[in-house]
Amino acid sequence: AQSVTQLDSQVPVFEEAPVELRCNYSSSVSVYLFWYVQYPNQGLQLLLKYLSGSTLVKGINGFEAEFNKSQTSFHLRKPSVHISDTAEYFCAVKEVDSSYKLIFGSGTRLLVRP
Amino acid sequence: DAEITQSPRHKITETGRQVTLACHQTWNHNNMFWYRQDLGHGLRLIHYSYGVQDTNKGEVSDGYSVSRSNTEDLPLTLESAASSQTSVYFCASRGPSTDTQYFGPGTRLTVL
Repeated sequence: AQSVTQLDSQVPVFEEAPVELRCNYSSSVSVYLFWYVQYPNQGLQLLLKYLSGSTLVKGINGFEAEFNKSQTSFHLRKPSVHISDTAEYFCAVKEVDSSYKLIFGSGTRLLVRP
Repeated sequence: DAEITQSPRHKITETGRQVTLACHQTWNHNNMFWYRQDLGHGLRLIHYSYGVQDTNKGEVSDGYSVSRSNTEDLPLTLESAASSQTSVYFCASRGPSTDTQYFGPGTRLTVL
């Protein structure tokens, strides 16, 4: 069975500072990886995804993530955050060639301070 | 524009009552999902459907049911609401040529 671990429940950071949100997964088969963002009182929207190819994936709003198969990680990064990036971020995994079910991590709340 | 909607957005009910949450998508997606979101747990899958007349249990399906009579709708029913079902519920859909799920705005349910 797959699982996703987001070790940091909350990450406070000052505006214009870089940030990294950590995500580790476990699976016995190949997986696709996703980051979703949830702004206050809204649903989730896709930030970026890794399906295959280059391990560095670029998403919306200046975010990027790097797939590291040996470390089973898919950390999310942004070189300079804005106040508007304050949100909950979820990492998710889906087995390749399997059902359409996504397994989500518990989420990391990014709190950007002025 | 195609979209996915949920209603109601907020619901307060009493223990033991039957509650139905609506989910409607206009993308004509075959795959639809219901999740609940609780602090510290992220999103957990309740039920999902791969098409009309198809329904499947997720990891937290006890006390919930779904039906799929058409492509656009997947209503979620709580047969006898319990306080443990107080949560935020999200519906999602997925098209045939993408691995991306699209989420609705959510329904906040409070069971007193």
